[in-house]
Amino acid sequence: EPEVTQTPSHQVTQMGQEVILRCVPISNHLYFYWYRQILGQKVEFLVSFYNNEISEKSEIFDDQFSVERPDGSNFTLKIRSTKLEDSAMYFCASSEIGRYQPQHFGDGTRLSIL
Amino acid sequence: QKEVEQNSGPLSVPEGAIASLNCTYSDRVSQSFFWYRQYSGKSPELIMSIYSNGDKEDGRFTAQLNKASQYVSLLIRDSQPSDSATYLCAVTHNTNAGKSTFGDGTTLTVKP
Repeated sequence: EPEVTQTPSHQVTQMGQEVILRCVPISNHLYFYWYRQILGQKVEFLVSFYNNEISEKSEIFDDQFSVERPDGSNFTLKIRSTKLEDSAMYFCASSEIGRYQPQHFGDGTRLSIL
Repeated sequence: QKEVEQNSGPLSVPEGAIASLNCTYSDRVSQSFFWYRQYSGKSPELIMSIYSNGDKEDGRFTAQLNKASQYVSLLIRDSQPSDSATYLCAVTHNTNAGKSTFGDGTTLTVKP
């Protein structure tokens, strides 16, 4: 069964550094998402992406965050200047377009900011 | 008021029993409703989706949706210790995919 793949599985970064999280969505999916989950808290929406542009973003997704689809397969989340509070599990998800399409999640990247 | 609210846990049931998980949502225009299972340290795994009022069954799982009451539930029959996990209710608002809003989750423990 096709799956969403994320790399790396764990990223440790010094505060203030830039970090790029990578995702390969399921190949026939057209909608891509990033979510985050701080330890012990709920899954929070960050951004959705369709047709090479952001379709929706949350208040969390401020100017420090950006997303990109650099080629036909990868989807990346960049955090420009990381803060301690960015430490979380980041999940990439993808879905087919259309009503009622479920989102399929990758295994996540655990981001630890020191 | 939370957008998606789940019954507070933890919930503990004996093996073989029925586990009942509940979720209410505040946005009446919500379109799609999903139940995910999340094991500790892992990603959400889709187990059920429902879009129309009524019941939807898949194996030991039954999802129930009542849009008038803004309520969705998940029943797990013949609960197994492997069902022990956190169950997340998620609601999607848009008609053409779009963000999902998650509840806090209900942690289920099935005791052998």
